[in-house]
Amino acid sequence: EVQLVESGGGLVEPGGSLRLSCAASGFTFSDAWMTWVRQAPGKGLEWVGRIKSKSDGGTTDYAAPVKGRFTVSRDDSKNTLYLQMNSLKTEDTAVYYCTALNTILGATRVDYWGQGTLVTVSS
Amino acid sequence: DIQMTQSPSSLSASVGDRVTITCRASQGISNGLGWYQQKPGKAPKRLIYVASSLQSGVPSRFSGSGSGTEFTLTITSLQPEDFATYYCLQHNTYPWTFGQGTKVEVK
Repeated sequence: EVQLVESGGGLVEPGGSLRLSCAASGFTFSDAWMTWVRQAPGKGLEWVGRIKSKSDGGTTDYAAPVKGRFTVSRDDSKNTLYLQMNSLKTEDTAVYYCTALNTILGATRVDYWGQGTLVTVSS
Repeated sequence: DIQMTQSPSSLSASVGDRVTITCRASQGISNGLGWYQQKPGKAPKRLIYVASSLQSGVPSRFSGSGSGTEFTLTITSLQPEDFATYYCLQHNTYPWTFGQGTKVEVK
């Protein structure tokens, strides 16, 4: 059974930092391109950033609102994805989802989501 | 960045109705589009990928069509469990972008 379990959310003051983790199981994590998606309260979905598999270069891409402040990384030995969030703003308040968003594993285009973790940026 | 314009933003429908939701891309994205369903408090669930391929396990009343800049999600006979919010996602060009969502409500 595929599982993506996020942790690390919570309350942080504006300007602060937070690191989210996502523990993956049930699929070959090292082969998957992994993505963070967020959803502000009562709002729509927003693509945040993606990291390729190491075999595909391990490179990252980010949405404009988080570029330069957020960093996606991975530890394939631990089957874990990370999102380092710095210089947090109130508008970063959202549920953050760890996903294998529309990624190809073997010959299959899969789409896995975690349950989400809430990050609240407030003083 | 590619902008995805989804319409309508909400609609009211009855069980058995045919429902159509549209997404327009600000530039061509070939068939790089997916459709997602989200219910309150839950993670989204993919319904359609590469514009028209039905996700395994998703009922056949859901279908997707389109290519280039205009795409459509159709629900042929709305069921009680289909009242939810639907999003399109363009996955052709980074950064990927979602439409703003369509809430399907009970009429």
